[in-house]
Amino acid sequence: GAVVSQHPSRVICKSGTSVKIECRSLDFQATTMFWYRQFPKQSLMLMATSNEGSKATYEQGVEKDKFLINHASLTLSTLTVTSAHPEDSSFYICSAREFLMGDTQYFGPGTRLTVL
Amino acid sequence: RKEVEQDPGPFNVPEGATVAFNCTYSNSASQSFFWYRQDCRKEPKLLMSVYSSGNEDGRFTAQLNRASQYISLLIRDSKLSDSATYLCAVNRDSNYQLIWGAGTKLIIKP
Repeated sequence: GAVVSQHPSRVICKSGTSVKIECRSLDFQATTMFWYRQFPKQSLMLMATSNEGSKATYEQGVEKDKFLINHASLTLSTLTVTSAHPEDSSFYICSAREFLMGDTQYFGPGTRLTVL
Repeated sequence: RKEVEQDPGPFNVPEGATVAFNCTYSNSASQSFFWYRQDCRKEPKLLMSVYSSGNEDGRFTAQLNRASQYISLLIRDSKLSDSATYLCAVNRDSNYQLIWGAGTKLIIKP
């Protein structure tokens, strides 16, 4: 149980394009989903928290107009990196929790974004 | 002081040995504690939650010390496959968010 999928696993795009990443909870209803970014050899950095049907809460320093998050259903959240630039290249990972799980988060396999 | 701190390592340990590492946290009101394992270029995977009374899962034992505000992870009879980065996580007050340590890298040598 508690399986989270993420798509695509890898994406390479040109500077200025937008990239959409999907995060799905496959066997549970994710009341809360989290989006993280991780640079090489660094820890997870929380970007935003989203509750189904509500606007995402962004961490300080994360531009909400650049990283658009939609959590329209209990099993799907999307992150769109708009007008991507090389400095946005990173490993983006989503996680999800269900109401009964307490604080336990289950992670998707991550998306490796490379912006040329 | 960081909210959650870990020794980055690496810990180089011979196969079969016992290894332990700690994670300190600053918020005395924290209630939920976790150890995750992350392999290179992969996502974190839940290893175990940490309960007040301590808990054990096979070769892994987790302990919580509220007075000194740290959690620990003990790995017995270490295997080559235990090589990974071990992340600790502590809940933040709001919205079920977790605060993450930077991870401790463990290398098990044959």
